[in-house]
Amino acid sequence: NFMLTQPHSVSESPGKTVTISCTGSSGSIASNYVQWYQQRPGSAPTTVIYEDNQRPSGVPDRFSGSIDSSSNSASLTISGLKTEDEADYYCQSYDSSNQGVFGGGTKLTVL
Amino acid sequence: QVQLVQSGAEVKKPGASVKVSCKVSGYTLTELSMHWVRQAPGKGLEWMGGFDPEDGETIYAQKFQGRVTMTEDTSTDTAYMELSSLRSEDTAVYYCATGRYYYDSTKTYYWGQGTLVTVSS
Repeated sequence: NFMLTQPHSVSESPGKTVTISCTGSSGSIASNYVQWYQQRPGSAPTTVIYEDNQRPSGVPDRFSGSIDSSSNSASLTISGLKTEDEADYYCQSYDSSNQGVFGGGTKLTVL
Repeated sequence: QVQLVQSGAEVKKPGASVKVSCKVSGYTLTELSMHWVRQAPGKGLEWMGGFDPEDGETIYAQKFQGRVTMTEDTSTDTAYMELSSLRSEDTAVYYCATGRYYYDSTKTYYWGQGTLVTVSS
């Protein structure tokens, strides 16, 4: 079964840059698009990156996504961290059978 | 812009069924492909299933096959997710989600507000 693995938590100071990784268990993570979602406590997830590196309108350009085929991983990078970025972040993709797969989520703390 | 509005919270007994609705506005349901995701308390997101426009069929996560049914009423632009044989582990917030359009590779771009289903005797 295809799985996506994320760090449980990351923390960084305001104004700094943080990168959250999402590693695929098998096959090529580049075979299907990767999405990233932000979820604040008590709220539904919202899309911050889609199709590996595209940003929905309204999402600041401080958010960026990338794929590294050599490590079979995707990354979400947030620069110029703000306290409002503190949330849970989930990566998501699909396996070869078009079954959806989510990473376990990463709790971002902005100290 | 797609908007998804879900039905209210439910409390069910073990063994019962629950049916959650998701009303689409801004687009018609036939222009979208609906998916369902759940989140147990304090846990991560879990994909339950959704419509695959390439095959024209709804596909379900293996974990839920035989217990979940996803349907649509195009006359009211409302999607439904019914989960049967409920157990305490099914206590979760259930979300509907769609892409931006029918064949969108980002299948869960827009999200509903979530419906809390509590299973308790």
